[in-house]
Parts: sequence; C-alpha cells; structure tokens
Amino acid sequence: DIQMTQSPSSLSASVGDLVTITCRASQYISNYLVWFQQKPGKAPKSLIYAASSLQSGVPSKFSGSGSGTDFTLTISSLQPEDFATYYCQQYYIYPMTFGQGTRLEIK
Amino acid sequence: QVQLVQSGAEVKKPGASVKVSCKASGYKFISYYMYWVRQAPGQGLEWVGIINPIDGSTSYAQKFQGRVTMTRDTSTSIMYMEVSSLRSEDTAVYYCARGIVVAGRKYPDYWGQGTLVTVSS
Repeated sequence: DIQMTQSPSSLSASVGDLVTITCRASQYISNYLVWFQQKPGKAPKSLIYAASSLQSGVPSKFSGSGSGTDFTLTISSLQPEDFATYYCQQYYIYPMTFGQGTRLEIK
Repeated sequence: QVQLVQSGAEVKKPGASVKVSCKASGYKFISYYMYWVRQAPGQGLEWVGIINPIDGSTSYAQKFQGRVTMTRDTSTSIMYMEVSSLRSEDTAVYYCARGIVVAGRKYPDYWGQGTLVTVSS
C-alpha cells in the first residue's frame, strides 16, 4: 500500500497568517492527490483535486502544488473558519490511502 | 444540488451485522462511483472500498475483504454498505462519498453526513 505522510501533525497559527502543509507519498502517484478539510463533528470537504485544481466553490486562498511524491497545501490569510484538520489522499491506485491529518489551531 | 443522505446511527453487538444506506440525489446516479470511508473516534480517515454504480463491481481494502459488501439499487438511487462479524474496533463514523472520474481516476468530491456505528456488548 502507498503510505501518505503529512507534516506537521499539528500547527499553530494566527489569523491573517499563511501556512503550508506537506504530504509525501511512499511511491509515485503522479498528480492523483486530493486535499480535504474536516471540522469537528462534520464530514470532510474536498478542497483541491489533481494536486492543484480548486474544487468548485472553494475560495482561492487555498492552493495546492506538487507531483510525483511531494505535495503541498497552502492557505493564505487565515480566518477563524479555516482552523480545522486537513487530510491528503492519493487516488492513484487501490487501496486509496490517506495522510494522518494536520490539525491547524489558533495561536 | 448534490446530496448524499445516510441512514441513522446504529448500535450493534459484537458478531452482528450492520447495513448503512446512502441515498443520492441531484445528479445522475449511474454516472459516479461511490466511496465508503470510515473514521474511528478521534482518529483519521480510512478507505473501506468503492462501488461502480453501473455494474455493481467493487474494490475493497484488504482488511475488510470477506466482511464488507457494497451494493446499489439503481431504481431508488441508494447505495448500501454492509459490515458483518462486527467487533469493537469497527466502532466508527462511516461516510459515503461520490467518486468523480477525472483523468481516468476517481476522487471523492461530495460527502454524506456520516453514520455512527457503535459496537458494544
């Protein structure tokens, strides 16, 4: 199975900050990577697909990059509603696998 | 608008089975796969499997092989996931998520609200 490793596991930031979360695949996955946001008690919400394409309705403050094995999610100008847990997932091959999550907290 | 509405919470005893449903609306049912993902309390996301709505073909994560069955009813636009031989470690929120095909691969774009399955004696 492909292992997805996110870093950091948790992150403290202030309103207005720019933050970057990284996701590394244990083997090549091209650009078949999706990023999700999840708030407590809620279902995940898809933000970015194909590593860098913005899901419809998602604000442009979210951006993604990368290909192959290394990927990043960048969130600019943090607002209170952005504090949540973020996951990456590869959909290159079965079984589809997720990163362990990055918890973004208010400093 | 796309909606995935799942069945309500369940409490089951170890060894029992549970069947979770996911009713789709707002799109053409047979044009999109359906993912099933679970999340144990306080834990991350885990892929359970995926079903093709056209022919009902499935692919399951190896750890669920033999215990999970995914089916669909195209007449009612409902997907089902049944888990048998439940154990306490199966306590989790189970999500359905629509799988959209882009560049030959399927990623989940819309998610159901989740169904909590609690396994306890």
